[in-house]
Amino acid sequence: KNQVEQSPQSLIILEGKNCTLQCNYTVSPFSNLRWYKQDTGRGPVSLTIMTFSENTKSNGRYTATLDADTKQSSLHITASQLSDSASYICVVSPSNNLFFGTGTRLTVIP
Amino acid sequence: DADVTQTPRNRITKTGKRIMLECSQTKGHDRMYWYRQDPGLGLRLIYYSFDVKDINKGEISDGYSVSRQAQAKFSLSLESAIPNQTALYFCATSETTGRETQYFGPGTRLLVL
Repeated sequence: KNQVEQSPQSLIILEGKNCTLQCNYTVSPFSNLRWYKQDTGRGPVSLTIMTFSENTKSNGRYTATLDADTKQSSLHITASQLSDSASYICVVSPSNNLFFGTGTRLTVIP
Repeated sequence: DADVTQTPRNRITKTGKRIMLECSQTKGHDRMYWYRQDPGLGLRLIYYSFDVKDINKGEISDGYSVSRQAQAKFSLSLESAIPNQTALYFCATSETTGRETQYFGPGTRLLVL
């Protein structure tokens, strides 16, 4: 069964600290993996997209890694800011379909 | 994203009523999608359209129908709303579903009483 699991479900960190969010998937075949940021009450916004051959992709303070062998991805946020408070969703695509994780709710506190 | 708009943003309706959610995009994308989001669940695909003449069912299409009136417009209808259709609904667009990014609208919050 195609599944995308994210951990932790929620996370609270102090402003300025780093954090890492995890995504494990069983989707097959694999085409690409995406990380989205969703602010409360708004639609998801793409952060990164990685294909099978890409191990890491950065977007400012966001760095995503992918291990296609173990079917794991992580999203590392550096020097967190209050505006990073949001849900982060991992999405895995076999081809013309998308499988969404349930997200990690990140709260950054001053 | 202003490029993808959804109307209404919030709607309260009663069981059995017909309701339409509308989506418009100015990105010029061929592909459009409707998703619903429920607490504790990931986004789930309801319907998708690769062009004006192409409509496909998604994971949870029962109880919903769609209309692609033009490249820029994709509407979702609930013919007879029921309470378990209470959810947050998102429209999205993309050029392709390969490596291309999906762009989401701001969402419509629907409450069915």
